[in-house]
Amino acid sequence: NAGVTQTPKFQVLKTGQSMTLQCAQDMNHEYMSWYRQDPGMGLRLIHYSVGAGITDQGEVPNGYNVSRSTTEDFPLRLLSAAPSQTSVYFCASSYGAGGLETQYFGPGTRLLVL
Amino acid sequence: AQTVTQSQPEMSVQEAETVTLSCTYDTSESNYYLFWYKQPPSRQMILVIRQEAYKQQNATENRFSVNFQKAAKSFSLKISDSQLGDTAMYFCAFMKDRNTPLVFGKGTRLSVIA
Repeated sequence: NAGVTQTPKFQVLKTGQSMTLQCAQDMNHEYMSWYRQDPGMGLRLIHYSVGAGITDQGEVPNGYNVSRSTTEDFPLRLLSAAPSQTSVYFCASSYGAGGLETQYFGPGTRLLVL
Repeated sequence: AQTVTQSQPEMSVQEAETVTLSCTYDTSESNYYLFWYKQPPSRQMILVIRQEAYKQQNATENRFSVNFQKAAKSFSLKISDSQLGDTAMYFCAFMKDRNTPLVFGKGTRLSVIA
């Protein structure tokens, strides 16, 4: 199993550009989520999904869109990048209702918005 | 809404010594789950230990153990025989149930000194 994979590892954007952060897992997990990590702020939830076709907002959803068309993939879209979105982004997955278990995190994507 | 507080932004410990990281949380739930995650310089999030609130016995994983005080809403992490590889950010996290997102504290940066 590859676990949770994220691409790209690092990205530089200009203000106003759009992009998609990719997240995929091969563990057949129902639950997936996106976090951003900023210095001194811990991890804050952006969006999450409890299964294919179901998504919900987290603590800081503004400026981000998600979709969950398959169990495996959970992309995060930045519609119009802003410098405030400079951060490290983590995707995570777990079995969800099937068991408490561990949240498996991806390696992160570092995003710099100029 | 649940909140998680880690009051120690930074800590240091001598190799082979014991260190305790503090975490308090606020919730009105009676059943929930608590976690400690480790984030080394590689940025990967690694589950260290977890505790179910309905279990009175404190969780233990090798050199890592917790002191779970449900009435006080306290969940501290004790690391025994500290090793250089324990140097990392440590995050305390709360989860209400199996299909709700994790809520993270802001983290404690632990340095293990040779």
